[in-house]
Amino acid sequence: DTEVTQTPKHLVMGMTNKKSLKCEQHMGHRAMYWYKQKAKKPPELMFVYSYEKLSINESVPSRFSPECPNSSLLNLHLHALQPEDSALYLCASSQESPAYGNQPQHFGDGTRLSIL
Amino acid sequence: QKEVEQDPGPLSVPEGAIVSLNCTYSNSAFQYFMWYRQYSRKGPELLMYTYSSGNKEDGRFTAQVDKSSKYISLFIRDSQPSDSATYLCATKGNEKLTFGTGTRLTIIP
Repeated sequence: DTEVTQTPKHLVMGMTNKKSLKCEQHMGHRAMYWYKQKAKKPPELMFVYSYEKLSINESVPSRFSPECPNSSLLNLHLHALQPEDSALYLCASSQESPAYGNQPQHFGDGTRLSIL
Repeated sequence: QKEVEQDPGPLSVPEGAIVSLNCTYSNSAFQYFMWYRQYSRKGPELLMYTYSSGNKEDGRFTAQVDKSSKYISLFIRDSQPSDSATYLCATKGNEKLTFGTGTRLTIIP
């Protein structure tokens, strides 16, 4: 079991739905990340939060909206997604901000998202 | 040219064999090197992390980094069926991880 917990494990939604993905870590890590992974591809960075502030947005469409309520929680709000957004969404955390630290990232098991 | 190139595989070897997984990178700013293992329907699991040239060993796994030739390797000794997974190399310079494309490994009992 990983120390980064993601819920739900699976999500099926229509293109007009609004849903949220949740991520939680209790390792005291100060940086948290959202990645998107398509089948047989490596993870692609979407967002980075450092000390609860958004530090990197990899030009992600606005239908994806991240939120970091506190240092242990990270949400990804979804609205009006497209079929091509179907993928595994991974959350990760690292001890320090990626700009200052060399600590590795630890990943959760992801939410498998299907858009109908 | 991709910043990190990884042998795509797939790679199938018999149980007990030594496995060699390899990546090359092009950016001299990359200072930190990782290997992740990803089982089907799971997230990437950190296997090895190093930031210096040379070898780092952890049980049956050895990570090797050669910064002069920008080459990183992961060796698995006495491979087991439970090692069957996709292996991702990753490097980090400033802020972001850059992943290789992954090598799918199957250990045949």
